[in-house]
Amino acid sequence: NAGVMQNPRHLVRRRGQEARLRCSPMKGHSHVYWYRQLPEEGLKFMVYLQKENIIDESGMPKERFSAEFPKEGPSILRIQQVVRGDSAAYFCASSPNALDEQYFGPGTRLTVT
Amino acid sequence: GDSVTQMEGPVTLSEEAFLTINCTYTATGYPSLFWYVQYPGEGLQLLLKATKADDKGSNKGFEATYRKETTSFHLEKGSVQVSDSAVYFCALSTNYGQNFVFGPGTRLSVLP
Repeated sequence: NAGVMQNPRHLVRRRGQEARLRCSPMKGHSHVYWYRQLPEEGLKFMVYLQKENIIDESGMPKERFSAEFPKEGPSILRIQQVVRGDSAAYFCASSPNALDEQYFGPGTRLTVT
Repeated sequence: GDSVTQMEGPVTLSEEAFLTINCTYTATGYPSLFWYVQYPGEGLQLLLKATKADDKGSNKGFEATYRKETTSFHLEKGSVQVSDSAVYFCALSTNYGQNFVFGPGTRLSVLP
């Protein structure tokens, strides 16, 4: 059973461009979570999704950020018009249900130049 | 709301020293408790968990006991190794929560 997959592992974007981060959960997992980690800091929850539904987006900035988890295919975290402050590691996690432990992907390290 | 507090780091120890990383929580209902570890440049890995009071989670020489009376889940290891150098996160999930709550993390450095 493959683990949580994230791609790309590293992404470089210029200010104003769009960044699209992909996450494929573990097989059988229908709950996906996105977190952001700034250098030398802890994890900050961004958004929690189930298939085709956003359950909690309280940690996601209202502007420029969006997330989806379609019926088919990976979950996507999209950042429009990136700024330098968006540079961070973005981690995706999945679980079979809301109470079980979360399994993390290796992360996508976004650098905005 | 639910929250997790961890001792501030960094924690620096010599090899074979005893490790304790404190974790306390505030939660509505009866949470499940977790410790995750993050090695440099990697994602988080589940280290151990406990789902009810007095449960002890253990893995790779690490242990933590779910103490409901003190709302704590302290991580311990009797003899640390250089390879244990990492950031350790305490976390909880509850029936009433929509998501996990993570503590801020504690960086551990073990010197040879």
